Amino acid sequence: AQSVTQPDIHITVSEGASLELRCNYSYGATPYLFWYVQSPGQGLQLLLKYFSGDTLVQGIKGFEAEFKRSQSSFNLRKPSVHWSDAAEYFCAGLFSGGYNKLIFGAGTRLAVHP
Amino acid sequence: ETGVTQSPTHLIKTRGQQVTLRCSSQSGHNTVSWYQQALGQGPQFIFQYYREEENGRGNFPPRFSGLQFPNYSSELNVNALELDDSALYLCASSLGQGTGVGYTFGSGTRLTVV
Repeated sequence: AQSVTQPDIHITVSEGASLELRCNYSYGATPYLFWYVQSPGQGLQLLLKYFSGDTLVQGIKGFEAEFKRSQSSFNLRKPSVHWSDAAEYFCAGLFSGGYNKLIFGAGTRLAVHP
Repeated sequence: ETGVTQSPTHLIKTRGQQVTLRCSSQSGHNTVSWYQQALGQGPQFIFQYYREEENGRGNFPPRFSGLQFPNYSSELNVNALELDDSALYLCASSLGQGTGVGYTFGSGTRLTVV
């Protein structure tokens, strides 16, 4: 079955600290992978995406993600978190099968302490 | 280049009523997908329209239906509303079917069923 799992429901970091949000997928092949961010009451903003090629992907707002096929993972990282990064983060995979369907993880809520 | 626009932004309906949500896709995009995001959860795929035809559907009952118009805008209709239908409904547009180039999301319609 196709699925995306985000093991951490809530994460709290101090401002200036590094961040890593975990994402794992289950699929027979490599799906297209995305990270989205959602502020309260807002829609989804695309941070970055992986289709193929270089396994380290750079995104907006200083975020990057690394695809690891052996671990079926696509973890999001940021070297130094800012208070404005507090939001909900969603990992998603685009799975094919007659039509392409974007499947989301349950999300990780990030809190940033001053 | 315009983004994805959804209307209305907020809506309150009574159980048993019917509701129509609207979405204008990003210029140049011909595929529209709808997602339901319950509080504290990731978005769940409802269905997708490509060139005015439904070409994919998630695990939602038939009382969830939709339309796509020649200008690629779209409607989501929900009949016989239930309390559990209360959620943020997100529309996403993309170019082509299965190209995986990415989806642009609207800010959503917050539906409350009382």
